[in-house]
Amino acid sequence: NAGVTQTPKFQVLKTGQSMTLQCAQDMNHNSMYWYRQDPGMGLRLIYYSASEGTTDKGEVPNGYNVSRLNKREFSLRLESAAPSQTSVYFCASSEALWDSYEQYFGPGTRLTVT
Amino acid sequence: TQLLEQSPQFLSIQEGENLTVYCNSSSVFSSLQWYRQEPGEGPVLLVTVVTGGEVKKLKRLTFQFGDARKDSSLHITAAQPGDTGLYLCAGAQSSSNTGKLIFGQGTTLQVKP
Repeated sequence: NAGVTQTPKFQVLKTGQSMTLQCAQDMNHNSMYWYRQDPGMGLRLIYYSASEGTTDKGEVPNGYNVSRLNKREFSLRLESAAPSQTSVYFCASSEALWDSYEQYFGPGTRLTVT
Repeated sequence: TQLLEQSPQFLSIQEGENLTVYCNSSSVFSSLQWYRQEPGEGPVLLVTVVTGGEVKKLKRLTFQFGDARKDSSLHITAAQPGDTGLYLCAGAQSSSNTGKLIFGQGTTLQVKP
């Protein structure tokens, strides 16, 4: 039982390049989330998916797109990377879209854009 | 936009000391969670508090939700080096059940042996 897995763990991009961050969970959770973590700013929600087939914007969605491929997988795409997108990205999942449910986080992807 | 202010941002103490971390907002939250994060890993949930005035204990950690559900505190008694890490509070928006959490900036705790 792997929980939430993310690939890759590290990535360096040049400005303007594109890439997709992959996330998968094996807990049969309905809801999935993408966050970015920057020093001194906690975690900020980029996009979330309440259930398979639905996605919604979070606090900082500009420059990102997401796809909920199926119940297990939720990917985050950077179409044209910018230095401001240098960050640590975390995927999370929870059983339901209710505030008292625990969110389970992956190990993160460390992205540097030069 | 609902904001959560965490204080202090950094704390370095000796083993055996007590400490308190605060999480404050001007907004009401329907519930509040505390997570702990170690370097190179994702956050892991410690506790969820949902009722105003609620107190929960987890071994040497005591969590309290304010009566008005706008603030919370985490108190650690007799800190140990294993408590070292980043502590994050996260509030659930009270307007609707969206599952979205608002995170505080985090408190980095270092406990020296």
